[in-house]
Amino acid sequence: DVKVTQSSRYLVKRTGEKVFLECVQDMDHENMFWYRQDPGLGLRLIYFSYDVKMKEKGDIPEGYSVSREKKERFSLILESASTNQTSMYLCASSLMVWQGNYGYTFGSGTRLTVV
Amino acid sequence: AQKVTQAQTEISVVEKEDVTLDCVYETRDTTYYLFWYKQPPSGELVFLIRRNSFDEQNEISGRYSWNFQKSTSSFNFTITASQVVDSAVYFCALSERARGAQKLVFGQGTRLTINP
Repeated sequence: DVKVTQSSRYLVKRTGEKVFLECVQDMDHENMFWYRQDPGLGLRLIYFSYDVKMKEKGDIPEGYSVSREKKERFSLILESASTNQTSMYLCASSLMVWQGNYGYTFGSGTRLTVV
Repeated sequence: AQKVTQAQTEISVVEKEDVTLDCVYETRDTTYYLFWYKQPPSGELVFLIRRNSFDEQNEISGRYSWNFQKSTSSFNFTITASQVVDSAVYFCALSERARGAQKLVFGQGTRLTINP
């Protein structure tokens, strides 16, 4: 079964810490995405990557960075965690739109609490 | 910019009732995809359907059906004879062209509660 795996289900970090959220997919997908989910706001795109070492800002990139050194792995980095980054973080991957069976597969999410 | 609106924040019905979740979208693309996802309490988003903008046929899958109307920019989702297991947050999403990829723009979600 195809999978997107996020390394942690729950994380608690202190304000000012550098935080790494890891995501791995085993589907050989070109595209990977990081979203955050907040009540009443739905899912908002933070960053995405369409190829190794390539990244693009999404709608809310401030305070975040990403790294994609290998095709299967996409990391989200909170340079200096703040309490307003407490949220659910969802990773996703997808084929290119012209490929058959185009769609998105999501991980189970990481619920991050910054105290 | 693309936008998806799910005006119903929460819906609560009694089991076996039919329920419709509304989705209205805005896009300037002529080719696009629409999606519905289900998010049960476990948190993982479960894919339900993908619809290409050129295909306006309604679709039925068991108790689920989708009504796509390009003229009103709507893509509504109906659950017939609802069951407790249908309780979840449902998201409508629209694909948006972006550099090298298509990214999804999500609505705010509708929390559906089916009471026994």
